Amino acid sequence: QVQLVQSGADVKKPGASVKISCKASGYKFTSYRMHWVRQAPGQGLEWMGTINPSGGSTNYAQKFQGRVTMTSDTSTNTVYMEVSSLISEDTAVYYCARRGDLNWFDPWGQGFMVTVSS
Amino acid sequence: QSVLTQPPSVSGAPGQRVTISCTGSSSNIGADYDVHWYQQLPGTAPKLLIYANTNRPSGVPDRFSGSKSGTSASLAITGLQTEDEADYYCQSYDTSLSGSVFGGGTKLTVL
Repeated sequence: QVQLVQSGADVKKPGASVKISCKASGYKFTSYRMHWVRQAPGQGLEWMGTINPSGGSTNYAQKFQGRVTMTSDTSTNTVYMEVSSLISEDTAVYYCARRGDLNWFDPWGQGFMVTVSS
Repeated sequence: QSVLTQPPSVSGAPGQRVTISCTGSSSNIGADYDVHWYQQLPGTAPKLLIYANTNRPSGVPDRFSGSKSGTSASLAITGLQTEDEADYYCQSYDTSLSGSVFGGGTKLTVL
């Protein structure tokens, strides 16, 4: 079955960077774009961007341009997202989700909690 | 301020019907982009509930249905059950933003 695995959680100081992984299995990795979405505590879902694992092209939400980098490794079927210059407002659960044919998100990874605190 | 507007909360008694609206604009829903709905149970990742406006993934009960008209979409839940208590989000694509957008989410309480 299609599965996206994200592992763990991390605590970072303001100004630091975090790199989050999302390992895909159960389908042809290069055939589907991957989205990244975050959710701050008690808040809604916020789309951050998407990457095409075939070729590595990306599309970032304007809010995150310059601060987010999405990459993919086809040898391990893993996508990564690095967020730099972290601030407290970046404290959130970060999800990866596979893009469906008409831009739906399914399935989702279990999420990776990032806490930014001094 | 979300691009897609949802009511913050709705409620209903077991067995009743509720609807959740999702209002967009001419650059997203009104531009004929599909609307998708997600259910997020407490402490879990969102789950696809309705895709492409009206379609249910395998395993989603037919108590859940979606519709779309003009610049808005709706999610209807009939025969409410206690396990339906969750947050619900709509999602579409916005051509002005060149990216996906979500509604602010609606918390469903089953009284």
